This record gives sequence, structure tokens and C-alpha cells, in this order.
Amino acid sequence: QLQLQESGSGLVKPSQTLSLTCAVSGGSISSGGFSWSWIRQPPGKGLEWIGHRHHSGRSSNNPSLKSRVTISVDRSKNKISLQLTSVTAADTAVYFCARVIYGDYDWYFDLWGRGTLVIVSS
Amino acid sequence: QSVLTQPPSTSGTPGQRVTISCSGSISNFGSYAVNWYQQFPGAAPKLLIYSDNQRLSGIPDRFSGSKSGTSASLAISGLQSEDEADYYCAAWDDSLSGPVFGGGTKVTVL
Repeated sequence: QLQLQESGSGLVKPSQTLSLTCAVSGGSISSGGFSWSWIRQPPGKGLEWIGHRHHSGRSSNNPSLKSRVTISVDRSKNKISLQLTSVTAADTAVYFCARVIYGDYDWYFDLWGRGTLVIVSS
Repeated sequence: QSVLTQPPSTSGTPGQRVTISCSGSISNFGSYAVNWYQQFPGAAPKLLIYSDNQRLSGIPDRFSGSKSGTSASLAISGLQSEDEADYYCAAWDDSLSGPVFGGGTKVTVL
């Protein structure tokens, strides 16, 4: 059974870059033609889509995060990465990676990692 | 402020039926399906319902979803103590060119 596990820097200073990795185990990231997303949740608040990497290689990000987001997929290492530049306290959140299922009518996350807390503080 | 609107909380007694509403717009519910996620404290969200009303394998049939126009709802029949959690609706949104979520509804079992 496919499993996702996020890891990375738990504490990031303001203005620096947040870097996270999502390791996929139990199967190949390349099989099935899936897309992969990052979603975040500030403490005590709701969910926010950060962006996704389509299986074709095309990326799409939340406009609210502008050009600060880079999502990449390393198929040789079975990992998805997230980089968020110029972070502020508003970027403090639990960050989740998730697998995307989509079609002409639907778009949803069927598999989630457990999440990792990132705190932005000096 | 979320694109999809949900009540912040609802409650019920064991065995009761509770319904969670989710209000959207033409740019999301007008063309795309609603999905529902359940989240327990400290845990990741879990997909419950996709394509408006399809239960993910293993989800009890007391959970049901529906959508009409720009409104959707999740119903929990025969409420159980283990259903106490936060529930989020979500859908693709053409204005964002990405998925949007509701603010979440906390279900309390009295």
C-alpha cells in the first residue's frame, strides 16, 4: 500500500527558504500517471492548497503564493519536494503532501501524508 | 476567508442524523464535483466522499454526500462518538485554477 511521509526543516527563519520532502513508499511515484500536491494548514485553521506537479511535468501553484513556490518530483528517489522562498510567520503551518486523482469533472486528494509542522521564527 | 462556506460547528446525539452544508459558486460547484474530508486532531485529512456522492472504499454507508446547483451537503446518519471530527468540503475552482476548501465544520457528539 502506498504511503507518503513528509520531512524537512521544522524551524525556518523569516526571509529564508522552507524545504520539504515527501517520500513515497510501497510503490513507484511514476506508476499510474498520478499528480502530486502540497497542502498546508496553519495551526487551528483550515486547509490551503499550495500547488501541484502534474505527471506530465507541468506545475501549477496557488496565485496567493505567487512565484515563491517550487514543486519538483524526483522519480529516481521516489520523492516530491517543496520549496517556499521568503517565508514569514504567516507560512507557519502543518504541511501535507497528497496524491491527486482528477478527471474532467472531479479533482481530489485520495492519499495524504501525516504532515510535518514548520514554524517560521527567528 | 474560504471560497467555500461551511458552518463552523454542528452537534448531535448518538444515533441522530446531522447535516453539514457547503456553499460554493459557479466557478467551482457549477462545473465540478464536491469532495469531503474528515480530519481528527493532530492527523491528516482523510477522503470520505468524492464525485459529489461516492464513498471511498471502507467508508461506512452512514456517510452520504449530495450536491445541487452551487450547494452541497454531507450527511451523517446514526451519529457515533467516533464521528467527532472536523469535516472539510473541497472542489476544483476555475477562478483559482486549483482546488479550494471550505473553512471546516467541527462535529461534536453530545
